[in-house]
Amino acid sequence: AQSVSQHNHHVILSEAASLELGCNYSYGGTVNLFWYVQYPGQHLQLLLKYFSGDPLVKGIKGFEAEFIKSKFSFNLRKPSVQWSDTAEYFCAVNRPGGGNKLTFGTGTQLKVEL
Amino acid sequence: NAGVTQTPKFRVLKTGQSMTLLCAQDMNHEYMYWYRQDPGMGLRLIHYSVGEGTTAKGEVPDGYNVSRLKKQNFLLGLESAAPSQTSVYFCASRPTPGGGGIIGGYTFGSGTRLTVV
Repeated sequence: AQSVSQHNHHVILSEAASLELGCNYSYGGTVNLFWYVQYPGQHLQLLLKYFSGDPLVKGIKGFEAEFIKSKFSFNLRKPSVQWSDTAEYFCAVNRPGGGNKLTFGTGTQLKVEL
Repeated sequence: NAGVTQTPKFRVLKTGQSMTLLCAQDMNHEYMYWYRQDPGMGLRLIHYSVGEGTTAKGEVPDGYNVSRLKKQNFLLGLESAAPSQTSVYFCASRPTPGGGGIIGGYTFGSGTRLTVV
């Protein structure tokens, strides 16, 4: 079965620090990759997605992610975090076909301190 | 506003009671999904539908039933609620791949917080 692993469950950073959140998936075929953010008390919002093409994907709010096929990874990065980035971040993968179901990682809680 | 609407937003049930969660989308999406979110476990797929009149089991279907009688609505039912079903439930929808709209665009509802006591 397809699985998605997020290695960092809780991350605490100071404002202006750089961020990298890891995401690895287990499926070897064609996949579509996503990062979602969930601010406290809110629903999921799409940060960025990768389907094909340039493996470096830029999303909203200064986030980017790099797809490294050989490592089955799709790590999320931001050069300088802000207090407002405090949220939970989810990596998700879907395999085209079969209902296009999204499989989520367990999430990473990011806390940015002033 | 176009999007996915979930009702109710909050509910407290007693063990053994039944209820139905409603998900409605006005984007003419073919695919609809029900997820549950639990601390430390991310979102897990309960059931999904690839079109009106179709349903399929996801990762954690036990204790839930679904129906998709109309394209725009996807109902999630709990016949006999258990404390283990205390969770936040999210509905999502997306268009058929190649069917227009934002490529890969899953739209999520704002969630239903269910507590079973």
